[in-house]
Amino acid sequence: DARVTQTPRHKVTEMGQEVTMRCQPILGHNTVFWYRQTMMQGLELLAYFRNRAPLDDSGMPKDRFSAEMPDATLATLKIQPSEPRDSAVYFCASGLGTSGRETQYFGPGTRLLVL
Amino acid sequence: GQNIDQPTEMTATEGAIVQINCTYQTSGFNGLFWYQQHAGEAPTFLSYNVLDGLEEKGRFSSFLSRSKGYSYLLLKELQMKDSASYLCAVRVSGGSYIPTFGRGTSLIVHP
Repeated sequence: DARVTQTPRHKVTEMGQEVTMRCQPILGHNTVFWYRQTMMQGLELLAYFRNRAPLDDSGMPKDRFSAEMPDATLATLKIQPSEPRDSAVYFCASGLGTSGRETQYFGPGTRLLVL
Repeated sequence: GQNIDQPTEMTATEGAIVQINCTYQTSGFNGLFWYQQHAGEAPTFLSYNVLDGLEEKGRFSSFLSRSKGYSYLLLKELQMKDSASYLCAVRVSGGSYIPTFGRGTSLIVHP
């Protein structure tokens, strides 16, 4: 049963610290999405990769957030420096497609609390 | 951009039928998704509609009317485990085709 995995599942940190979240997409999937979910804003897209290339990161605050795919089995989302308003659940999702019409399969999420 | 509207919360009785509506305003419509999300868990894919009409999948059905900018998710024979948030997501053509999610409808099923 192929699944998207994310680490860590929970993270508590202090304001100003660097946070790195990792995602392993389903083997063979060529698209990766990073979302942030809060009660106030719902599910927001932060970044989107296809074949490891970033296609859309317009939803990501560039001054503190960065997303990369060092290889096809690993995607990372970094926040430096972190702020309390970054507290949220961060989901990674992967899919298989070339047109963007693929279904997204979500990982379990990283619950981040910045104090 | 897209404007997606869903009711915030609905309640229903076990065994009943419930219809969750989603309306959207967008240009270049290119598909609508429904996802289910249990509390504390990740969203899971339920259905995808790109043409008008009803798509049935077991106890769940999804309907789309592109001319009205309207979709609904129909859940039959409700079970307690159907208590969850149901997210409507719309994709537009052009650009990256990434779906935009609505805020979700929290469904509470009671005995």
